[in-house]
Amino acid sequence: QVQLMQSGAEVKPPGSSVRVSCEASGGTFSNFSFTWVRQAPGHGLEWMGRIIPNVDITTYSQKFRGRVTVTADQSTRTAYMELRRLKSEDSAFYYCARETVATFIDYWGQGTLVTVSS
Amino acid sequence: SYELTQPPSVSVSPGQTASITCSGDKLRNKNICWYQQKPGQSPLLVIYEDNKRPSGIPDRFSGSTSGDTATLTISGTQAMDEADYYCQTWDSSTSVVFGGGARLTVL
Repeated sequence: QVQLMQSGAEVKPPGSSVRVSCEASGGTFSNFSFTWVRQAPGHGLEWMGRIIPNVDITTYSQKFRGRVTVTADQSTRTAYMELRRLKSEDSAFYYCARETVATFIDYWGQGTLVTVSS
Repeated sequence: SYELTQPPSVSVSPGQTASITCSGDKLRNKNICWYQQKPGQSPLLVIYEDNKRPSGIPDRFSGSTSGDTATLTISGTQAMDEADYYCQTWDSSTSVVFGGGARLTVL
């Protein structure tokens, strides 16, 4: 059974950066992509970007391009999402998930709450 | 950018059939997924490739697409089905696109 375990909640000041990790256990790691989705409290799901670890290819939402970087470490089966130049509007739950591109997103992490506040 | 449109809310009586729609340009040519999200939980895949159910999803959940509208149907709706439902697809550049979500209320 695939499990995705994310890092804990973060409180960050405006203008700083946050890095969220996502460790995969069970199943294969490299053959899938790892996608990042955020959800502000009371709002819908918003896709940020993905990485395909075995070819190190990334794709980003136009909204976040230039401000987000997604990476993966195959040796530790961990994906990372870094968001820079944080604003209060970036306060949200951030989810990593396993994606088979153009087919489904089948496993989700538990979410990491990022609060941007001075 | 590609957009998916869902009604913000849908209501259904227990035991009845709930239908949640999702519309988008040329949606019939795209793979559609549906996710259920209950308060405080991560999304759960309930339908993929328009009408397939992952293992463990009850057969009262089904999906269909006609023209530019996809529909998630929940037959014999139960109180436990009360949740937010999101449709999702991929645009021409393989970016993930979500609908705005529909809150299903079981009255």
